[in-house]
Amino acid sequence: EVQLVQSGAEVKKPGESLKISCQGSGYSFTSYWIGWVRQMPGKGLEWMGIIYPGDSDTRYSPSFQGQVTISADKSISTAYLQWSSLKASDTAMYYCARQGCSGGNCYWYFDLWGRGTLVTVSS
Amino acid sequence: EIVLTQSPGTLSLSPGERATLSCRASQTVSSSYLAWYQQRPGQAPRLLIYGASSRATGIPDRFSGSGSGTDFTLTIDRLEPEDFAVYYCQQYGSSPPTFGQGTKVEIK
Repeated sequence: EVQLVQSGAEVKKPGESLKISCQGSGYSFTSYWIGWVRQMPGKGLEWMGIIYPGDSDTRYSPSFQGQVTISADKSISTAYLQWSSLKASDTAMYYCARQGCSGGNCYWYFDLWGRGTLVTVSS
Repeated sequence: EIVLTQSPGTLSLSPGERATLSCRASQTVSSSYLAWYQQRPGQAPRLLIYGASSRATGIPDRFSGSGSGTDFTLTIDRLEPEDFAVYYCQQYGSSPPTFGQGTKVEIK
């Protein structure tokens, strides 16, 4: 089965670090970009950034550049999203998603989504 | 970056009716690189439409997308109970890709 499996919910304190994961299976993980999308409580979707696990080429939305780090370990088909110092405003659901392809061409829309990782940052 | 504005914010309709959702871009979306997603409560988003008008795998034909340039539309014919959800547009023709703020389709 083609799927993205995300790590479980996290509860952290402000200032703590965190790394959440997204493991792909059922397809060639190194051949598709994997993106991260934030959804704050009761709000819409925000495109954070994207990585190509084949060579770890990474792009960030300006809004998230310097705020998070996206990485990948292709040996275990896993992408990561990490924070060095969490803030209360990082409280959100975080989704990973795979880029879509059509007719042999691939683009930065998302055709496969993980179930999300809920991150709660509270003192 | 391209700002996408969706309207209306909420659409109140009855099952069987047609829903028409709008997504307007602040700049031309190149090559009609626009996608639509559905998000039901407590679930991850699901791809409905890409390339402005191509249905994703497994999406019923009551969902259709149209438009080009700066104006795009998602139409849902004959609303089913499972169609009441929030819908987002996303442009991926310019970097960074961006999402609209969403339209909620609720039961009247």
